[in-house]
This record gives sequence, C-alpha cells and structure tokens, in this order.
Amino acid sequence: SQQGEEDPQALSIQEGENATMNCSYKTSINNLQWYRQNSGRGLVHLILIRSNEREKHSGRLRVTLDTSKKSSSLLITASRAADTASYFCATAHYGQNFVFGPGTRLSVLP
Amino acid sequence: DAGITQSPRHKVTETGTPVTLRCHQTENHRYMYWYRQDPGHGLRLIHYSYGVKDTDKGEVSDGYSVSRSKTEDFLLTLESATSSQTSVYFCAIGWARGESGYTFGSGTRLTVV
Repeated sequence: SQQGEEDPQALSIQEGENATMNCSYKTSINNLQWYRQNSGRGLVHLILIRSNEREKHSGRLRVTLDTSKKSSSLLITASRAADTASYFCATAHYGQNFVFGPGTRLSVLP
Repeated sequence: DAGITQSPRHKVTETGTPVTLRCHQTENHRYMYWYRQDPGHGLRLIHYSYGVKDTDKGEVSDGYSVSRSKTEDFLLTLESATSSQTSVYFCAIGWARGESGYTFGSGTRLTVV
C-alpha cells in the first residue's frame, strides 16, 4: 500500500521541547506532505516535499525525506501548547491522489 | 477555511434517507475532493473531481455519489444513509492531483440514527 504510517500514534511532551514524528511508506512516491489538524477543525497544509528533496523548513518546522528508507520525519522545535494537534502525512505517486496516514496525536503540556 | 466552505456543519438524519453535503470554493481550483474521517483510519477518499462534470471514485465510494455542475460547487450525496456512514466529511481543493497542497474545509459531522 502507498499509505504512509505515522509513528508514534500519540506523543506527549513539555512546552519548549522538540517533537519528532515519523512517516513510513511501502512503495516509491513522488511527493509527500504533512498536515496539522486541530480538534474539530479541518486539516491545514504544512509542508510538501518532493522525492528529489531531502529537507525543507518552514518556521519551527523541519521535514526530512529519506527515499532509500521510505520514510519522512516532521520536527517541531521549541513546541508550544498551540502545537497540540494531530499530524498527518500524505503520500502520492506521480499523477495520483494523495493517500493519508492515520496520524500522530501530539499533546504539548504547559 | 478561507476560500472553501462546507454546509451543513452538522446533520443528524435517519437511516434510509437521502443526504446531500455541499462544498463551495471561491479559489477556482480544478480539483475537488470528498474525504471521510473515522477514528483509526485517517482520511479516506470517497470521490474526487478534476473539472466540471468530471468525477472519479476513491477508495470508499460505495453508497456515495457526487456531482459537479459548476467549478465552484461539489456535492456529495448519500442516496440512502446507513449507520456506517456516520462520520466527519471533509471537502478539499487543490491545483494539481498529487502535486500541490490541499486546502480543506471545516468539515461536516454527519450522524445517521
């Protein structure tokens, strides 16, 4: 299956700590995205990384992609209570729709 | 979310009744998607559209139909609602299939009793 699987399923950290979430997938992909979902809301696009890219940054977010290991990681540095949310990775072959994983629930404790 | 709205936000309906959910965009995106979100499953694609009157099935399309008569509107219909269709439904829009980020609506919570 192309679907990515996030790991861990749930993560609790203290404010100020870094949070790392991983996404593994089984078949080669063209693009991978990360999304955030706050409770009761829609998903918000964070970063898209292409298969020929290894790392992308956006503010406190860093996404890496290792195509040889078929995995990606999302790092949130200096986390805040407002980062409490579910995080999803989505993968796509060229010209196909993105497929979403089940997500990681992140809790940032004050 | 800016540029995309879903209606209604909440709906309770009885088993066997037809239900239509609406997604409206003001961004002129070519692609529109309907997902359902259930605990433990993430988001699963129901149907998507790549233009006016151009639609295709996703991985969980049984029991659902869609229509897109205008660029800005994408309708999802449950012809005869069942309890297994109790879920949160999200609409999303995008420029290109599998190539760009999606913008999601705020969702419709549907309960079939």
